[in-house]
Amino acid sequence: NAGVMQNPRHLVRRRGQEARLRCSPVKGHSHVYWYRQLPEEGLKFMVYLQKENIIDESGMPKERFSAEFPKEGPSILRIQQVVRGDSAAYFCASSSFRGKLFFGSGTQLSVL
Amino acid sequence: GIQVEQSPPDLILQEGANSTLRCNFSDSVNNLQWFHQNPWGQLINLFYIPSGTKQNGRLSATTVATERYSLLYISSSQTTDSGVYFCAVWGGNTPLVFGKGTRLSVIA
Repeated sequence: NAGVMQNPRHLVRRRGQEARLRCSPVKGHSHVYWYRQLPEEGLKFMVYLQKENIIDESGMPKERFSAEFPKEGPSILRIQQVVRGDSAAYFCASSSFRGKLFFGSGTQLSVL
Repeated sequence: GIQVEQSPPDLILQEGANSTLRCNFSDSVNNLQWFHQNPWGQLINLFYIPSGTKQNGRLSATTVATERYSLLYISSSQTTDSGVYFCAVWGGNTPLVFGKGTRLSVIA
């Protein structure tokens, strides 16, 4: 009974490159959330998706960031032209409708 | 948007001691959850508790929605309880908003 799977666990990118973070939700969950966490800080909401739909992206920067949750396959958080300020831990969570959230182990993004 | 405040920000306990962590929120909520982030960064959902009281082993939680607060009780603390405890609330259409957490250190 797999939980939320995120990969890669660690991702190193140079400034200007693209970062792609993947998230496979708990089987049967159709709601996915992405959060960002800086060291010694709480989790900041980025985007809330349901299959093929973005429900709320109010926490996501307007430029360079995008997210999708296709009908088939994992959810993807894409960061284009990364900058050093994008370095952070990115967590994905899944749930049933407004249910208990289950988090993945996170992706630590480091931008050189 | 909804504001979530947690107290205390930091807490140091001797092993075996009890503690109470508090979460205040600024608006009515229909969903409140407590999480533990261990020292390796893993986030574990402890409770889904929009109202009432729940218990799970040495942990229990109470949410008084009408007064906009929730409490997390840890009894007979162990070193494995160390980490950061987050309260998160869902009010209206806004997905879970997290507080800044309480950092707990349990000393043997």
